[in-house]
Amino acid sequence: NAGVTQTPKFRVLKTGQSMTLLCAQDMNHEYMYWYRQDPGMGLRLIHYSVGEGTTAKGEVPDGYNVSRLKKQNFLLGLESAAPSQTSVYFCASSYSIGERGNEQFFGPGTRLTVL
Amino acid sequence: AQSVTQPDIHITVSEGASLELRCNYSYGATPYLFWYVQSPGQGLQLLLKYFSGDTLVQGIKGFEAEFKRSQSSFNLRKPSVHWSDAAEYFCAVGASGSSASKIIFGSGTRLSIRP
Repeated sequence: NAGVTQTPKFRVLKTGQSMTLLCAQDMNHEYMYWYRQDPGMGLRLIHYSVGEGTTAKGEVPDGYNVSRLKKQNFLLGLESAAPSQTSVYFCASSYSIGERGNEQFFGPGTRLTVL
Repeated sequence: AQSVTQPDIHITVSEGASLELRCNYSYGATPYLFWYVQSPGQGLQLLLKYFSGDTLVQGIKGFEAEFKRSQSSFNLRKPSVHWSDAAEYFCAVGASGSSASKIIFGSGTRLSIRP
């Protein structure tokens, strides 16, 4: 049981390049989330998904796209990277039913630098 | 909408001393409350959570937190800290109800331990 995994762990991009971050979970969770973490700002929700084939915008969605083609995977895409997207990205997942739905399980993070 | 405030950005305590990290939340109904810990370079790990019932909750690693509705607080405590407790701590508030599995995170409190 690997929990939540993220690939890659580190990445350096040049401005304007594109990339996709992959998140996978093996806990059969319905909900999945992408956050970014910046110094002094805690975690901010980028996009989330409440089930396979669904996505929704979070607090800071601009410049990102997501897809949830399979229940266990949640992809975060940057079409044209900007230096402001330099951050640490965390994926999380949770159950959807009842009170357990609010407990999120986190991946180890992806450190992205955009030059 | 819910919000959460962690008034202390950085706290330093001596090893063996007691610890209290402050968290204040804003939410119109009974919130779901969490404390997460993040060690350097790692993802977030759940320390404890409050959903309902007993307002004093016990967590892992000897931590506890008390929900005080009248003060809108959920402070984290530990009677005697260890050097391994040095990390960043995040308080989070979730909306009750199974349809709202989003969590709002505070900006974090960095804990340093003095030998």
